[in-house]
Amino acid sequence: KNEVEQSPQNLTAQEGEFITINCSYSVGISALHWLQQHPGGGIVSLFMLSSGKKKHGRLIATINIQEKHSSLHITASHPRDSAVYICAVKVYTGNQFYFGTGTSLTVIP
Amino acid sequence: EPEVTQTPSHQVTQMGQEVILRCVPISNHLYFYWYRQILGQKVEFLVSFYNNEISEKSEIFDDQFSVERPDGSNFTLKIRSTKLEDSAMYFCASSDLLVLSYEQYFGPGTRLTVT
Repeated sequence: KNEVEQSPQNLTAQEGEFITINCSYSVGISALHWLQQHPGGGIVSLFMLSSGKKKHGRLIATINIQEKHSSLHITASHPRDSAVYICAVKVYTGNQFYFGTGTSLTVIP
Repeated sequence: EPEVTQTPSHQVTQMGQEVILRCVPISNHLYFYWYRQILGQKVEFLVSFYNNEISEKSEIFDDQFSVERPDGSNFTLKIRSTKLEDSAMYFCASSDLLVLSYEQYFGPGTRLTVT
C-alpha cells in the first residue's frame, strides 16, 4: 500500500512570503500530481510531474524520484493562493492515484 | 476552455435509496475516474474506466457501486442502497490518454448527503 505524506498539514503565511509544501511517498511511481482544492471543494490540476521541475507563473514543482519526494513552491504568495494543496501519486502498476491528506494554506494580507 | 461537468451539485437521499451521479467528461478524453472525499478526509480513488469497461477499482468500490457510459458523453456512478457513510463529495475526472501525461481534469463535484 502506498502512503503519501504531506507537510506541513497547515501553513499560515504573510502575503509576499515564499512557501514550500512537501510530499513524500513510499513506493515507485510513474507520475505525481499537484492539485489545488478551493474552499468550495472544487479541485484544479496544477502540475503533473514524472521528473525534474515545472514552472507555471508563481508556482514551481520539483520531484526527486530517487528520494521519493516532491515539493511545491509558491513565490510572492497572495491571499488568493489560500486553498488546500494536495499531492497524488500514480504507481507504476495500474491507473490508480493515491492522495495525500493535503496542506491547508492561508495567506494573510 | 473545455471542462468536466457534474450534476447534480448536491443530492440529498434517504438511506436505502439508489442514486445516480452524472458526469460529462471532456469530449476527447479517453480515461474516466470517480473519486470520493468524505468531509475532512482525503480524496479516495473509487474506479477508473477505459474503453467501455472498468480498468481498475479500489476496495471501496464494491457491489454497491457501478459505473456506466450510457452514451458518448455521459459517465455515471450508481450507488445502490445508500448508507449514511456514503455521504461525501464525489468527484469525476477525465484524462487524455493520447497525451500520456496522466494529467486529470476534475469536475466540480457532487455533494451527496444520505439521511
